[in-house]
Amino acid sequence: ETGVTQTPRHLVMGMTNKKSLKCEQHLGHNAMYWYKQSAKKPLELMFVYNFKEQTENNSVPSRFSPECPNSSHLFLHLHTLQPEDSALYLCASSQKWPAVGAVQETQYFGPGTRLLVL
Amino acid sequence: DQQVKQNSPSLSVQEGRISILNCDYTNSMFDYFLWYKKYPAEGPTFLISISSIKDKNEDGRFTVFLNKSAKHLSLHIVPSQPGDSAVYFCAASEINYGQNFVFGPGTRLSVLP
Repeated sequence: ETGVTQTPRHLVMGMTNKKSLKCEQHLGHNAMYWYKQSAKKPLELMFVYNFKEQTENNSVPSRFSPECPNSSHLFLHLHTLQPEDSALYLCASSQKWPAVGAVQETQYFGPGTRLLVL
Repeated sequence: DQQVKQNSPSLSVQEGRISILNCDYTNSMFDYFLWYKKYPAEGPTFLISISSIKDKNEDGRFTVFLNKSAKHLSLHIVPSQPGDSAVYFCAASEINYGQNFVFGPGTRLSVLP
């Protein structure tokens, strides 16, 4: 039990569907992250929220839309995805997004949502 | 081009022996490194970290070595146990650039009984 949960664990969707991935952390953290892991590729950071404010968007296409209503919940809204978006989507949290020069914070990951776009 | 490389996609080791997982990086500005372990159907879990002011950090059976001049780090597990069988990810970041960790592609370790 890592304290970070993700639902659903598996999702199959068509290219015209709209779906949402949900992440919840029970660790009292203030920073939350979305990562994408495609087959045989490294984890790629997509979005970072710190105290509910988006602080990073790593050139992610607009068909991925994050939402962070509070520090415990993070959503990833999916719309008109492409088959190449099929991947494992991982949520993570940490105490906070550190100030420049501050010590890095360990990130705690959820189990991921395995997404297949047909 | 990958900034963090783990050139061995897989590694098999006999139980009780030492496992050595390697990681190379290209960005000389990286100054903080972590290892994560991932079991199937679970998210990565933090294992051990090292900052560039050290060349070694030890935690129980796990030791991470950092060679800054070679831009190389390694994770040693001794003695290896069957429960250590997992995918190991190396990650790197610049302390002055926030928490944008760059992950390697992972090495699958199999510890054989």
